[in-house]
This record gives sequence, structure tokens and C-alpha cells, in this order.
Amino acid sequence: GAGVSQSPSNKVTEKGKDVELRCDPISGHTALYWYRQRLGQGLEFLIYFQGNSAPDKSGLPSDRFSAERTGESVSTLTIQRTQQEDSAVYLCASSGGVNTEAFFGQGTRLTVV
Amino acid sequence: KQEVTQIPAALSVPEGENLVLNCSFTDSAIYNLQWFRQDPGKGLTSLLLIQSSQREQTSGRLNASLDKSSGRSTLYIAASQPGDSATYLCAVSGSARQLTFGSGTQLTVLP
Repeated sequence: GAGVSQSPSNKVTEKGKDVELRCDPISGHTALYWYRQRLGQGLEFLIYFQGNSAPDKSGLPSDRFSAERTGESVSTLTIQRTQQEDSAVYLCASSGGVNTEAFFGQGTRLTVV
Repeated sequence: KQEVTQIPAALSVPEGENLVLNCSFTDSAIYNLQWFRQDPGKGLTSLLLIQSSQREQTSGRLNASLDKSSGRSTLYIAASQPGDSATYLCAVSGSARQLTFGSGTQLTVLP
């Protein structure tokens, strides 16, 4: 596609439910990043995928968070047993590799009620 | 651990002024530095990427410089316009591969 696509754009869920967020990177991009941005805050790193290497999961805040990526295509970020503190915009980015420009999607706004 | 700082946190200027946004980072072992803009409620738009071997990059009215040894970058915006109003973020990529972001400078250009 022309850019990084994220779905859904908005998600409202009840506390305790599981949610799955999707990211479609730019075709051919080997690197994929997930970030979280709480209201009025900066970007928090969550996880990084690079090709077939083991992902860097060092930013995942708890074991309720997990992410997968199929090859060099779509990635899903799963949050289990959602809490109100998980409410944020979740941003995905992709790049062609270590030393190339990163492009972001428009984000998924998650609201936990 | 890499830390990125952006000064000022907020800036308000009249239309037509030239302005400079600052970004500093603690670990100079970076691969590149990227400047983004973020409009309210939107994702990030890439503005400029500077490789670690480069000193500056230009795109239209934007010029970004990089002094890796001192851990600093500046984004220069010429002849500012109200449409430039947004939050400007810098991010560095280093050995950790992830992009480490500053907290941003919120720019308002007054007509």
C-alpha cells in the first residue's frame, strides 16, 4: 500500500476484555515498530521487529501485552484483560531497515471503559 | 540508555519569523536522527532523516543539522506559516534499533 495502515482507527472496549490491534506496514519494509502515546504524553516504545530476527520486546509494559508479526507483513498487538490505564493511541511505524526513514500510521485510539 | 531532550517545550511566533527547534541526545553512537511533525489527533509525519555521517538535510523551508559528537540537532524553519503549527518531535536510532523520541516542541504560528 501507499503507507502504513492501522485498524481499527478507534476502539472502545470494556475493562477486562481482550483487544487486537492491526498494523499493515509499507510493502517491503523489514522493520516494524509499535509505540504507545497516552493523552498529552510522549511516545513510549513497545516492541520492534526486524526481519526474521528475534523481536525487541523490552518496552512491553506487562505480560498482558504481546505482539506478533508474520514474516515481513502484518503485525498484531494484543492486549489481554484491558485496564483503564491502557487507554491511549497505539502507533505503528515501518522502515526499510536500520538506517532508513520510518513512516507512521495514523494510530488506533483505544478507550477502555 | 539513550535520552532525548527537546527545548523549548512550547513556542509561539508571529507568521513570517524564522525559528529554530533544538534536540539533544545523550549517547552519540547513533545511526540516524529523524524529525517528525504531529498534528493534534493524528499520527506522525516524517520531515527529514539525517544519517550519522551527514551534517545537514534540507527540504523546502526546513533545514535540519546534526552535530553527532556534541549530541545535538536543530530544525530550522524559514518564513513560518500558520500551517506549520504542530508538535515537532525528534527521534534517534542507535544500537538498540528502536527509535527513541524526545517529548516534542509544540509550535504555534500566529497569523
